[in-house]
Amino acid sequence: DAMVIQNPRYQVTQFGKPVTLSCSQTLNHNVMYWYQQKSSQAPKLLFHYYDKDFNNEADTPDNFQSRRPNTSFCFLDIRSPGLGDAAMYLCATRQGVQEKLFFGSGTQLSVL
Amino acid sequence: GEDVEQSLFLSVREGDSSVINCTYTDSSSTYLYWYKQEPGAGLQLLTYIFSNMDMKQDQRLTVLLNKKDKHLSLRIADTQTGDSAIYFCAERRRSRSGGYNKLIFGAGTRLAVHP
Repeated sequence: DAMVIQNPRYQVTQFGKPVTLSCSQTLNHNVMYWYQQKSSQAPKLLFHYYDKDFNNEADTPDNFQSRRPNTSFCFLDIRSPGLGDAAMYLCATRQGVQEKLFFGSGTQLSVL
Repeated sequence: GEDVEQSLFLSVREGDSSVINCTYTDSSSTYLYWYKQEPGAGLQLLTYIFSNMDMKQDQRLTVLLNKKDKHLSLRIADTQTGDSAIYFCAERRRSRSGGYNKLIFGAGTRLAVHP
Protein backbone atom coordinates (compact mmCIF):
# COMPACT_ATOMS: atom_id res chain seq x y z
CA ASP A 1 0.00 0.00 0.00
CA ALA A 2 2.96 2.30 -0.56
CA MET A 3 1.69 5.81 -1.22
CA VAL A 4 4.93 7.48 -2.26
CA ILE A 5 7.03 5.17 -4.37
CA GLN A 6 10.62 5.76 -5.33
CA ASN A 7 12.47 3.77 -7.92
CA PRO A 8 14.97 2.35 -7.93
CA ARG A 9 15.85 1.67 -4.30
CA TYR A 10 19.55 1.67 -5.18
CA GLN A 11 21.10 3.40 -8.16
CA VAL A 12 24.70 3.23 -9.25
CA THR A 13 26.01 5.64 -11.85
CA GLN A 14 29.36 6.69 -13.19
CA PHE A 15 31.02 10.00 -12.60
CA GLY A 16 29.59 12.47 -15.12
CA LYS A 17 26.93 10.11 -16.49
CA PRO A 18 23.42 11.60 -16.31
CA VAL A 19 21.01 9.82 -14.02
CA THR A 20 17.29 10.15 -13.34
CA LEU A 21 15.52 9.20 -10.14
CA SER A 22 11.77 8.79 -10.13
CA CYS A 23 8.98 9.31 -7.65
CA SER A 24 5.31 8.52 -7.97
CA GLN A 25 2.41 9.02 -5.60
CA THR A 26 -1.07 7.60 -5.26
CA LEU A 27 -2.23 10.31 -2.86
CA ASN A 28 -3.08 12.95 -5.47
CA HIS A 29 -1.20 15.51 -3.41
CA ASN A 30 -0.43 18.82 -5.06
CA VAL A 31 2.99 19.40 -3.51
CA MET A 32 6.02 17.22 -4.20
CA TYR A 33 9.49 17.65 -2.70
CA TRP A 34 12.99 16.34 -3.33
CA TYR A 35 15.39 16.12 -0.41
CA GLN A 36 19.04 15.08 -0.40
CA GLN A 37 20.26 13.24 2.69
CA LYS A 38 23.93 12.47 3.19
CA SER A 39 25.08 10.06 5.83
CA SER A 40 24.45 11.34 9.38
CA GLN A 41 23.28 14.69 8.04
CA ALA A 42 19.93 16.43 7.94
CA PRO A 43 17.74 15.96 4.88
CA LYS A 44 18.27 19.05 2.73
CA LEU A 45 15.53 20.43 0.51
CA LEU A 46 16.59 20.69 -3.12
CA PHE A 47 13.34 21.93 -4.69
CA HIS A 48 9.63 21.37 -4.72
CA TYR A 49 6.58 21.68 -6.93
CA TYR A 50 3.36 23.29 -5.84
CA ASP A 51 1.12 21.92 -8.57
CA LYS A 52 3.10 22.89 -11.67
CA ASP A 53 4.95 25.75 -10.01
CA PHE A 54 8.61 24.91 -9.51
CA ASN A 55 10.48 26.31 -6.48
CA ASN A 56 14.22 25.90 -6.47
CA GLU A 57 16.24 26.36 -3.29
CA ALA A 58 18.86 29.07 -3.68
CA ASP A 59 21.76 26.76 -2.86
CA THR A 60 20.70 23.82 -5.05
CA PRO A 61 23.42 23.26 -7.68
CA ASP A 62 22.49 23.79 -11.33
CA ASN A 63 23.50 20.18 -11.89
CA PHE A 64 20.18 19.18 -10.31
CA GLN A 65 16.97 19.54 -12.30
CA SER A 66 13.44 18.32 -11.82
CA ARG A 67 10.41 17.55 -13.94
CA ARG A 68 6.80 16.99 -12.99
CA PRO A 69 4.86 15.86 -16.06
CA ASN A 70 1.65 15.27 -14.09
CA THR A 71 0.32 15.18 -10.53
CA SER A 72 1.49 11.64 -9.89
CA PHE A 73 5.08 11.71 -11.08
CA CYS A 74 8.15 13.74 -10.31
CA PHE A 75 11.71 13.18 -11.53
CA LEU A 76 15.09 14.26 -10.28
CA ASP A 77 17.72 14.61 -13.00
CA ILE A 78 21.37 14.90 -12.15
CA ARG A 79 23.09 16.04 -15.31
CA SER A 80 26.70 15.28 -14.43
CA PRO A 81 26.95 13.44 -11.12
CA GLY A 82 30.03 14.02 -9.05
CA LEU A 83 31.34 11.95 -6.17
CA GLY A 84 29.83 14.48 -3.78
CA ASP A 85 26.36 13.76 -5.10
CA ALA A 86 26.33 10.28 -3.61
CA ALA A 87 23.50 10.37 -1.09
CA MET A 88 20.01 9.18 -0.27
CA TYR A 89 17.40 11.10 -2.26
CA LEU A 90 14.02 11.38 -0.63
CA CYS A 91 10.76 12.30 -2.30
CA ALA A 92 7.87 13.61 -0.24
CA THR A 93 4.35 14.89 -0.84
CA ARG A 94 1.92 17.16 0.91
CA GLN A 95 -1.63 18.28 0.25
CA GLY A 96 -2.40 21.95 0.50
CA VAL A 97 -1.86 23.43 3.94
CA GLN A 98 -1.73 20.12 5.77
CA GLU A 99 1.27 19.79 8.00
CA LYS A 100 2.04 16.17 7.23
CA LEU A 101 4.67 15.21 4.69
CA PHE A 102 4.52 11.71 3.27
CA PHE A 103 7.93 10.33 2.38
CA GLY A 104 9.00 7.59 0.03
CA SER A 105 11.65 5.07 1.08
CA GLY A 106 14.33 6.91 -0.84
CA THR A 107 16.83 6.09 -3.56
CA GLN A 108 20.41 5.52 -2.46
CA LEU A 109 22.66 6.90 -5.20
CA SER A 110 26.25 5.76 -5.57
CA VAL A 111 28.67 7.48 -7.95
CA LEU A 112 31.68 5.50 -9.13
CA GLY B 1 23.42 29.70 12.95
CA GLU B 2 20.74 28.31 10.69
CA ASP B 3 20.95 24.69 11.77
CA VAL B 4 18.46 22.62 13.71
CA GLU B 5 20.61 20.72 16.18
CA GLN B 6 20.17 17.35 17.83
CA SER B 7 22.45 14.96 19.63
CA LEU B 8 23.33 12.09 17.31
CA PHE B 9 22.87 9.09 19.56
CA LEU B 10 20.84 7.93 22.56
CA SER B 11 20.85 4.53 24.22
CA VAL B 12 18.14 3.49 26.69
CA ARG B 13 17.03 0.36 28.42
CA GLU B 14 13.75 -1.23 27.43
CA GLY B 15 10.94 0.06 29.65
CA ASP B 16 12.71 3.30 30.54
CA SER B 17 11.74 6.71 29.20
CA SER B 18 13.66 8.26 26.31
CA VAL B 19 14.11 11.99 25.94
CA ILE B 20 15.36 13.34 22.63
CA ASN B 21 16.30 17.00 22.54
CA CYS B 22 16.44 19.55 19.75
CA THR B 23 17.25 23.23 19.42
CA TYR B 24 15.92 25.24 16.53
CA THR B 25 16.76 28.65 15.21
CA ASP B 26 13.76 30.58 13.97
CA SER B 27 11.75 32.14 16.77
CA SER B 28 8.93 32.79 14.31
CA SER B 29 8.52 29.11 13.42
CA THR B 30 4.86 28.26 13.77
CA TYR B 31 5.10 24.48 13.71
CA LEU B 32 7.70 22.06 15.00
CA TYR B 33 7.79 18.38 14.13
CA TRP B 34 9.14 15.01 15.09
CA TYR B 35 9.68 12.43 12.34
CA LYS B 36 10.79 8.83 12.74
CA GLN B 37 12.87 6.85 10.25
CA GLU B 38 13.17 3.09 10.54
CA PRO B 39 15.82 1.16 8.60
CA GLY B 40 15.07 1.05 4.88
CA ALA B 41 12.03 3.28 5.20
CA GLY B 42 11.18 6.89 4.61
CA LEU B 43 10.55 9.48 7.28
CA GLN B 44 7.21 9.17 9.03
CA LEU B 45 5.53 11.99 10.93
CA LEU B 46 5.17 11.12 14.61
CA THR B 47 3.73 14.32 15.97
CA TYR B 48 3.87 18.08 15.67
CA ILE B 49 3.24 21.04 17.94
CA PHE B 50 1.96 24.49 17.23
CA SER B 51 4.08 27.30 18.59
CA ASN B 52 1.38 28.63 20.91
CA MET B 53 1.48 25.37 22.86
CA ASP B 54 4.11 24.32 25.36
CA MET B 55 3.15 20.68 25.63
CA LYS B 56 1.41 18.04 23.57
CA GLN B 57 0.75 14.46 24.63
CA ASP B 58 -0.17 11.57 22.37
CA GLN B 59 -0.22 8.17 24.03
CA ARG B 60 3.41 7.36 24.92
CA LEU B 61 4.72 10.51 23.29
CA THR B 62 5.09 13.87 25.03
CA VAL B 63 6.40 16.92 23.23
CA LEU B 64 7.65 19.88 25.23
CA LEU B 65 8.32 23.26 23.66
CA ASN B 66 10.31 26.06 25.27
CA LYS B 67 10.00 28.99 22.89
CA LYS B 68 12.20 31.25 24.96
CA ASP B 69 15.13 28.87 24.63
CA LYS B 70 14.03 27.52 21.20
CA HIS B 71 14.18 24.04 22.64
CA LEU B 72 11.99 21.11 21.67
CA SER B 73 11.99 17.68 23.25
CA LEU B 74 10.33 14.34 22.59
CA ARG B 75 9.74 11.98 25.47
CA ILE B 76 8.86 8.36 24.76
CA ALA B 77 7.46 6.58 27.80
CA ASP B 78 8.02 2.85 28.34
CA THR B 79 10.45 2.63 25.44
CA GLN B 80 10.27 -0.61 23.46
CA THR B 81 12.69 -2.28 21.07
CA GLY B 82 10.34 -1.32 18.26
CA ASP B 83 11.08 2.32 19.03
CA SER B 84 14.67 1.88 17.83
CA ALA B 85 15.00 4.27 14.90
CA ILE B 86 16.34 7.67 13.92
CA TYR B 87 14.26 10.59 15.17
CA PHE B 88 14.34 13.87 13.27
CA CYS B 89 13.33 17.23 14.63
CA ALA B 90 12.12 19.79 12.07
CA GLU B 91 10.95 23.38 12.10
CA ARG B 92 8.71 25.05 9.57
CA ARG B 93 10.43 28.10 8.26
CA ARG B 94 9.53 30.73 5.75
CA SER B 95 11.65 30.71 2.62
CA ARG B 96 13.99 33.65 2.06
CA SER B 97 11.79 34.79 -0.79
CA GLY B 98 8.83 34.64 1.55
CA GLY B 99 6.85 32.76 -1.03
CA TYR B 100 6.47 29.46 0.74
CA ASN B 101 7.10 27.47 3.90
CA LYS B 102 9.59 24.64 4.11
CA LEU B 103 10.77 22.16 6.70
CA ILE B 104 14.32 22.39 8.02
CA PHE B 105 15.47 19.13 9.56
CA GLY B 106 18.04 18.26 12.17
CA ALA B 107 20.57 15.53 11.48
CA GLY B 108 18.57 13.00 13.50
CA THR B 109 19.07 11.18 16.80
CA ARG B 110 19.64 7.46 16.58
CA LEU B 111 17.76 5.78 19.43
CA ALA B 112 19.01 2.34 20.46
CA VAL B 113 16.87 0.36 22.88
CA HIS B 114 18.56 -2.52 24.68
CA PRO B 115 17.13 -5.19 27.00
